[in-house]
Amino acid sequence: DGGITQSPKYLFRKEGQNVTLSCEQNLNHDAMYWYRQDPGQGLRLIYYSQIVNDFQKGDIAEGYSVSREKKESFPLTVTSAQKNPTAFYLCASRDRLSGNQPHHFGDGSRLSIL
Amino acid sequence: AQTVTQSQPEMSVQEAETVTLSCTYDTSENNYYLFWYKQPPSRQMILVIRQEAYKQQNATENRFSVNFQKAAKSFSLKISDSQLGDTAMYFCAFTSRETSGSRLTFGEGTQLTVNP
Repeated sequence: DGGITQSPKYLFRKEGQNVTLSCEQNLNHDAMYWYRQDPGQGLRLIYYSQIVNDFQKGDIAEGYSVSREKKESFPLTVTSAQKNPTAFYLCASRDRLSGNQPHHFGDGSRLSIL
Repeated sequence: AQTVTQSQPEMSVQEAETVTLSCTYDTSENNYYLFWYKQPPSRQMILVIRQEAYKQQNATENRFSVNFQKAAKSFSLKISDSQLGDTAMYFCAFTSRETSGSRLTFGEGTQLTVNP
């Protein structure tokens, strides 16, 4: 079955540590996205990528970094510069050329501070 | 920039009854797409229904239907014959071809509880 796989499901970060969240899709989608969800809030866009080797900042990119070396993969690194990383992170992908096609989401990763 | 507003943080409904969740949005574009996503306690984001702005007919998916009022920039979700499994957070979302990266802009969400 096609879909999006995020790992790990739960992750803890120590002070000063960088951590990386994995996102892999086998839907052959060009566009991929990272959203952050805080309690009582909607999803906010961190980064997105429309093609391999290209990505753009979203609304809350500070303290995060991404790469897009392969079409299937869009890992997100939460750096030590992100002072409030505790949140639920959702990865999504989409067929870039089809206007009304929805985002497909992974099951999410929960990051907490130790 | 587009904005999406859901003015009802929480709602509840009795099983088998009908409930309507509200959503308004702000955009200067003419061609865009609206979605309702459901997020149950498992935290999965599940597409409920979608609407293309150029279509006048309201979208329907089984027990779920929308009331799309383009001039009023309103996009409400009606759930008929509510079931316990409908208990979830519901998000309204907007995108368009002109939106950079076709990213989704989300409302703050409405927590719906279906009571037995």
